[in-house]
Amino acid sequence: KQEVTQIPAALSVPEGENLVLNCSFTDSAIYNLQWFRQDPGKGLTSLLLIQSSQREQTSGRLNASLDKSSGRSTLYIAASQPGDSATYLCAVEGGADGLTFGKGTHLIIQP
Amino acid sequence: EAQVTQNPRYLITVTGKKLTVTCSQNMNHEYMSWYRQDPGLGLRQIYYSMNVEVTDKGDVPEGYKVSRKEKRNFPLILESPSPNQTSLYFCASSHLGEGGYEQYFGPGTRLTVT
Repeated sequence: KQEVTQIPAALSVPEGENLVLNCSFTDSAIYNLQWFRQDPGKGLTSLLLIQSSQREQTSGRLNASLDKSSGRSTLYIAASQPGDSATYLCAVEGGADGLTFGKGTHLIIQP
Repeated sequence: EAQVTQNPRYLITVTGKKLTVTCSQNMNHEYMSWYRQDPGLGLRQIYYSMNVEVTDKGDVPEGYKVSRKEKRNFPLILESPSPNQTSLYFCASSHLGEGGYEQYFGPGTRLTVT
């Protein structure tokens, strides 16, 4: 059974810093890995999707990498802003039956 | 606009009173699923559907029912809600693309069972 772990569970950094969120998964047989953002009391917004054959994806200040063989992914956020404060969720997909989620990293960017 | 909608967004009910949370998507996706999100437990899948009339259990199906009579709709039914079903519920839809199934989520339904 796939298990997804996110470290750290919470992170607070000053505005402007670059930061890295980590995600690991136990079963490397995945189709893809998605990073989501969730604001308090809100739904999930997809940030990046990395196919199993890819090594990384970039969108603006966000860069996600995937090392499928070692079961690891990182989400890099450059020049963090207070508006980046949210919970970031990593999820892996093993097929049509849906996603397995990590418990998230709660990120606070201090102005 | 491509979207997944859920109704109601908020619901407070009492133990044992049957309820249905609706989910609809306008993207012609084959695959739909329901998740619940609880503090400290994260998001867990309840049920999923690979197409019309095809449904299967996820990780935490007890106490829930689903149906998929039309491609666009995937309602979640709680026949006899209990307080341990108090949670935040998300519906999602997806289709098979080159990179697997990219999931699109609804805005969530916050359910409280007293």
